[in-house]
Amino acid sequence: DVKVTQSSRYLVKRTGEKVFLECVQDMDHENMFWYRQDPGLGLRLIYFSYDVKMKEKGDIPEGYSVSREKKERFSLILESASTNQTSMYLCAARYQGARGNTIYFGEGSWLTVV
Amino acid sequence: GQQVMQIPQYQHVQEGEDFTTYCNSSTTLSNIQWYKQRPGGHPVFLIQLVKSGEVKKQKRLTFQFGEAKKNSSLHITATQTTDVGTYFCAGGVNTGFQKLVFGTGTRLLVSP
Repeated sequence: DVKVTQSSRYLVKRTGEKVFLECVQDMDHENMFWYRQDPGLGLRLIYFSYDVKMKEKGDIPEGYSVSREKKERFSLILESASTNQTSMYLCAARYQGARGNTIYFGEGSWLTVV
Repeated sequence: GQQVMQIPQYQHVQEGEDFTTYCNSSTTLSNIQWYKQRPGGHPVFLIQLVKSGEVKKQKRLTFQFGEAKKNSSLHITATQTTDVGTYFCAGGVNTGFQKLVFGTGTRLLVSP
């Protein structure tokens, strides 16, 4: 099974701080994603990457940036954290094979900005 | 932009009752996937439907993809407490790179 690991499960940061959320996948998957999940809004795509050093904006990229220097690692960066970025962040990797375009999610990172 | 609406937002049933969640897209989808997220957990893939009118079953779960490929449903027969969680549909949208647009989710609570 694919393993997607998010380095931090719970974080508390101050407004204005720079925040890094790290994600590593152990299969050779080209596609990686960052979503945020909020009650009543489902999962919203922040950024995705279809290969190393390639990145594309999702539906809500404002206030975020990403980095994909190596295939297995996809980082989400909050340049200057704000309270409205308090959320659960989910990293995911996509497997494209016999099962189709299945997305495998990490455990999630709960970020609170105070 | 692309939207996938899911209803109901929340449902509370007694164990043994049936449950259905519905998913509707504003545009035609290339495929639809369903995920389950247990409380405190992360979404886990359940199934993918690709063909118009497709129906698939997994034990007590029945998944349907509409003829127009714009809607889908998940039906659970005789719910059990282990079915508790949030169910998300996710529609595949081909825009050069296939994006998945997630529905808003249906939270299911099952009382014993």
